[in-house]
Amino acid sequence: LAKTTQPISMDSYEGQEVNITCSHNNIATNDYITWYQQFPSQGPRFIIQGYKTKVTNEVASLFIPADRKSSTLSLPRVSLSDTAVYYCLVGETGANNLFFGTGTRLTVIP
Amino acid sequence: KAGVTQTPRYLIKTRGQQVTLSCSPISGHRSVSWYQQTPGQGLQFLFEYFSETQRNKGNFPGRFSGRQFSNSRSEMNVSTLELGDSALYLCASSFSGASQETQYFGPGTRLLVL
Repeated sequence: LAKTTQPISMDSYEGQEVNITCSHNNIATNDYITWYQQFPSQGPRFIIQGYKTKVTNEVASLFIPADRKSSTLSLPRVSLSDTAVYYCLVGETGANNLFFGTGTRLTVIP
Repeated sequence: KAGVTQTPRYLIKTRGQQVTLSCSPISGHRSVSWYQQTPGQGLQFLFEYFSETQRNKGNFPGRFSGRQFSNSRSEMNVSTLELGDSALYLCASSFSGASQETQYFGPGTRLLVL
């Protein structure tokens, strides 16, 4: 499983767009990039998954450059309820393959 | 469709006791995995069950065991509890547990061992 590097923490004001970047220099050809969100004392929640270019859903966008050595999770107009830890996973995300690193603790400020 | 449910949500036990945690997967999901999450170690894989069989196992002592029933519901048991077993225990389900499938997590059971 490719190792990922994310900022430990980020602060943002309500209503702003937040971009969290994840570095994964050793990503393999078949690896997907997946982001999870976790609130305190709750299980991680799947946000978005992508392989290349751009993926968008109702919650977030995921930007992946051509070399795929990094990816950026974009959260539009964050609210206080978006305060959580965000994890970037690269590689297999099946039952015994998940590796959650330290994640990025996002704090949204009113 | 209902999500993954776990019971109980909170549990307090003392050293030496045993505990059983329960997980009901999303309807139609046959793969159930268990994870332990602690501040120091992060999220660690315990084991995975599929069709009532343990398919994969993480690096945990034999005090940690589990099983899966014919309706895909799963239980996890920890015997002879130690202080270090205090953690958030998470259950996740997916259709088949395949390598690129998304895992859907339950809310977790917070276990405190005194």
